[in-house]
Amino acid sequence: QSALTQPPSASGSPGQSVTISCTGTSSDIGGYNHVSWYQQHPGKAPKLMIYGVSKRPSGVPDRFSGSKSGNTASLTVSGLQAEDEADYYCGSYAGSNNNYVFGTGTKVAVL
Amino acid sequence: QITLKESGPTLVKPTQTLTLTCTFSGFSLSTGGVGVGWIRQPPGKTLEWVAIIYWDDDRRYSPSLKSRLTITKDTSKNQVVLTMTYMDPVDTATYYCAQIQFFDWSFHWWGQGTLVTVSS
Repeated sequence: QSALTQPPSASGSPGQSVTISCTGTSSDIGGYNHVSWYQQHPGKAPKLMIYGVSKRPSGVPDRFSGSKSGNTASLTVSGLQAEDEADYYCGSYAGSNNNYVFGTGTKVAVL
Repeated sequence: QITLKESGPTLVKPTQTLTLTCTFSGFSLSTGGVGVGWIRQPPGKTLEWVAIIYWDDDRRYSPSLKSRLTITKDTSKNQVVLTMTYMDPVDTATYYCAQIQFFDWSFHWWGQGTLVTVSS
């Protein structure tokens, strides 16, 4: 049960866009449309930002968008704002044996 | 409004059993498709899924921790209890409980987390 692979860091200036990748296998990301993205500020609990690959929960700004191609999912944050500076984790259903797996996490900095 | 809150010891000794309780409000674990899961995060590290229990008593465990885990629910009290045996210092982490939807396998609502330290 290996974690999904994310880049350790990403950054952008206010107003710019940043895209974070999340790479798995055909047993998790590639096999199901159950990819989620979570935002975590220091010392806080994670918050769901995207589910079902590209759906946004109520209250999440439309600056956040998700997509998937093959075994790789992506989160794009457009129009970066200072409050978007946080750690981001992807997650995916991984079948009936492993059930769920998280990504390694990406620290997003707003320059 | 959905809320979840974890409770339990902040310090356990190696080899002891950890018992954590998640008390929630704003939803019922008797509603179809609803589940409560546990996720942990060692200091400075990534999230790790631990266990889930669904409305129909379906229980799922992390393969790497399965032999040490038991998850149960008390629908009348709106509580989910996680027990983990043979605690080790590597189990030191913040433990979160979260509501999960079976139909999209996403953790929609999270508790604030509780830090559990394993040390003699």
